[in-house]
Amino acid sequence: SQTIHQWPATLVQPVGSPLSLECTVEGTSNPNLYWYRQAAGRGLQLLFYSVGIGQISSEVPQNLSASRPQDRQFILSSKKLLLSDSGFYLCACTDRLGDTGELFFGEGSRLTVL
Amino acid sequence: AQSVTQPDIHITVSEGASLELRCNYSYGATPYLFWYVQSPGQGLQLLLKYFSGDTLVQGIKGFEAEFKRSQSSFNLRKPSVHWSDAAEYFCAVVLIGGATNKLIFGTGTLLAVQP
Repeated sequence: SQTIHQWPATLVQPVGSPLSLECTVEGTSNPNLYWYRQAAGRGLQLLFYSVGIGQISSEVPQNLSASRPQDRQFILSSKKLLLSDSGFYLCACTDRLGDTGELFFGEGSRLTVL
Repeated sequence: AQSVTQPDIHITVSEGASLELRCNYSYGATPYLFWYVQSPGQGLQLLLKYFSGDTLVQGIKGFEAEFKRSQSSFNLRKPSVHWSDAAEYFCAVVLIGGATNKLIFGTGTLLAVQP
């Protein structure tokens, strides 16, 4: 079964600094990959998804970007962080062949922007 | 537009009591529905899912959920809650189509368990 690794687990960054959150997947090939953000009391918001290397779709306009340089690597980035970027970021994947939407999640990365 | 509503933001139950967490969805076709659980500071774990067939589905940790098309609901139940069930619970529906299927989540219900 799939295993998702995220790092760093926690991060405290000043406003205006850059960001890079990494996610790697094991146990499957050619997965669909997703970045979700979880803010207090707001559930999970889908930020980006990718169906293949170099293919990124953005769900909401924002200060963040995503990249997929390898099949099982998904990176969330920002050039200049805003206070509103604080939150818990979750990477997830699904097996495309059995794509019923069921997601497997990483343990998350908690970002605090000060 | 497709959406998921969890009307209860926070619920407190006593250990050993029964539990029901509500979920309502808005979707034009037969939905794929999920319940996930999240312990503090952790990722999400799948409890159960409904795709088709029997409308009462069994999940892990003694949870079950019933799909009711007439009420557009997929409520989560457990007959006897354990202290370790304290967590946040998310209902989700799959948005079918496009380049990939996408999971749309409710805002979650935070469950507290009293001794």
